This record gives sequence, C-alpha cells and structure tokens, in this order.
Amino acid sequence: GENVEQHPSTLSVQEGDSAVIKCTYSDSASNYFPWYKQELGKGPQLIIDIRSNVGEKKDQRIAVTLNKTAKHFSLHITETQPEDSAVYFCAANYGNNRLAFGKGNQVVVIP
Amino acid sequence: GAVVSQHPSRVICKSGTSVKIECRSLDFQATTMFWYRQFPKQSLMLMATSNEGSKATYEQGVEKDKFLINHASLTLSTLTVTSAHPEDSSFYICSASANGQGYGYTFGSGTRLTVV
Repeated sequence: GENVEQHPSTLSVQEGDSAVIKCTYSDSASNYFPWYKQELGKGPQLIIDIRSNVGEKKDQRIAVTLNKTAKHFSLHITETQPEDSAVYFCAANYGNNRLAFGKGNQVVVIP
Repeated sequence: GAVVSQHPSRVICKSGTSVKIECRSLDFQATTMFWYRQFPKQSLMLMATSNEGSKATYEQGVEKDKFLINHASLTLSTLTVTSAHPEDSSFYICSASANGQGYGYTFGSGTRLTVV
C-alpha cells in the first residue's frame, strides 16, 4: 500500500509569514495529491490538489509543489491569517482509488 | 461544487445497541463511497470502500460484521455500527467520488459517535 509521511507535526507562524508543510509518499504509481484542512469537529475540506502531470499549482495564497522523482510534495501558505489555523492533511491516491493520509500538521497562526 | 451530507453529526448510544450513519451526495452521483475513522488528534484511517450495488471492500483489521456498509443507490451510503462498545467511540467520516478515477473526493462533515 501507500505510506504517506508528513512533517512537521506542529507549526507555529506569525501572522503574515509563510507556512510550509512537506509530505513524502512511497508508491510511485500515485498520481493524485490533495491537501485538506480540518477544523475541530468537522470533516476535511479540500484546499488544493495536484496531479502528477504538473509540478506546481497555485490558488491565491495557497500553492502546492510536486517532485515525482523524489516522491515528495509540499503545501505553501503565504501571508498567513488567524483563520488559517487548523490541522492540515496531505494525501496520495493508491490502488482502487483509495487515499492514504499523512498524520496531519497542526498549524497555529499567531496574531 | 460537490456536496456530501452526513447525518447525524453527533450521536450517543448505549453499549450493545446499533447506530446508523448516513451519507448522501446531494448534487452528483457517487459511484464510490469511502468510510473513515478518526481518533482524537490522529489521521483518517480508511475502513472500507463501497461501490454502488456491490459489497463493500474492507481494509485489513476492520470487522465487516461489526461495521455494516450499504451503498444501495448512487446518492446514499450507510454505515451501521452494530453492538457498539465504548472502544467504537470515534469520529466517522464518509467520502464520495463521482468518477471512480482516483481524484475528486468530497468529504462529509463527520459523525461523532460516543458509546456509553
């Protein structure tokens, strides 16, 4: 199966600074890499995703980069705001359209 | 965008009883539904995958007789926790895929199950 590792586990940033979360995956057949934001007591919300045919994707303050050779992908949040505080999960698809999740990263934006 | 409605959001039940959780895709046809379990401060763990009209495929270590999954239509899947015990207390989340092509997953809002 797929093994997704996510680092760091906790990240504190000053409001306005950037936050970067990195993930690695093991299955070279994976071709879809979504990022989810989860607030307490709620389901995960997709914030950005990337497919293996591109190396970078950006949506306003959020961007994702993918290095297929190294099997790692990263989430970049610029100009962080207090409402960005949440748990972020990376994921990668694998056999039979399943998703394997990283362990999550608690992002705290300090006003 | 695609919306998945999950109910109930919270449920408390007594040990030994069964609880049913519903997951509906509101504006698309979900060819595949996934059910996850999440313990506090942990990641999502896939329990099972179900395709409409077929039996669910359970992940290793998940008891299929305890966690009954039904996916009778393209817009509704249910998870029934049978003979619930306190260790079944967890956050259960469904996810739906419209295209079965390995992308485009929409998650429900989750169900907090507490077994007393």
